[in-house]
Amino acid sequence: DVKVTQSSRYLVKRTGEKVFLECVQDMDHENMFWYRQDPGLGLRLIYFSYDVKMKEKGDIPEGYSVSREKKERFSLILESASTNQTSMYLCASSPDSDEQFFGPGTRLTVL
Amino acid sequence: GESVGLHLPTLSVQEGDNSIINCAYSNSASDYFIWYKQESGKGPQFIIDIRSNMDKRQGQRVTVLLNKTVKHLSLQIAATQPGDSAVYFCAENKTGGYQKVTFGTGTKLQVIP
Repeated sequence: DVKVTQSSRYLVKRTGEKVFLECVQDMDHENMFWYRQDPGLGLRLIYFSYDVKMKEKGDIPEGYSVSREKKERFSLILESASTNQTSMYLCASSPDSDEQFFGPGTRLTVL
Repeated sequence: GESVGLHLPTLSVQEGDNSIINCAYSNSASDYFIWYKQESGKGPQFIIDIRSNMDKRQGQRVTVLLNKTVKHLSLQIAATQPGDSAVYFCAENKTGGYQKVTFGTGTKLQVIP
C-alpha cells in the first residue's frame, strides 16, 4: 500500500515564526502536492512538484514556499506564519495516473 | 467562473438504504473526475474515478454516473453502512499541463443506524 506520512498531526506556532511541514511518500511517485483545507472552501492547492527540484505554484501560493530535494520528500515552508494560515494541511502524491494518495494531515494553529 | 460544487452540504441516510451524492461542474474541458472519501481525522481517500468518454462506472458498492450534457456527476453508494459516514468530495482534473485537481467543498454523509 502507498503510504504518505506527514511529520506532525498537530502543530501550534506563533505569528512570525518559520514553519516547516514535512511530507514523505514511499512509492517512488513523481508528483507531490500540498493543499490546505478550510471549512466551506474545500481543498485548495498551494504548490505541487512533478520532479525533484521542480515546483509549480497552485491556486494559493502566497505566503508559502516548498522544497523537493529528494523524490520522496516534499516540504512546505511558511516563512513568517500568520494567523490566517491556521488550517489543515494535506500532502498528497501520485504516479503518472490521476489518483492522488493523501497523508493524514497536519492541523496547524498560528497564535 | 469555473467551479466544482455540490448540491447538498449534508445528507442523512438510514443504514441499508442507498445514498446518492451529487456534484455539478462547470468546466467543459475537464475530462477526468474523481470521488474521494474523507473520514474524520484522516486525509481524503480515493473511491472511484471516471473519464469523460464514459457515463457510468461501477466499483464495490459504489457507482459513479457522469452526465456531460448537464455537467453533473453523482456517486451512488448501495446498502449504506455506518462506516460510510464521512465527507465526500468530487473533483475534476483539467486537461493539459501537469496533474492538477480541483476539489469541491464536500458533502457530509451521516448514516443513521
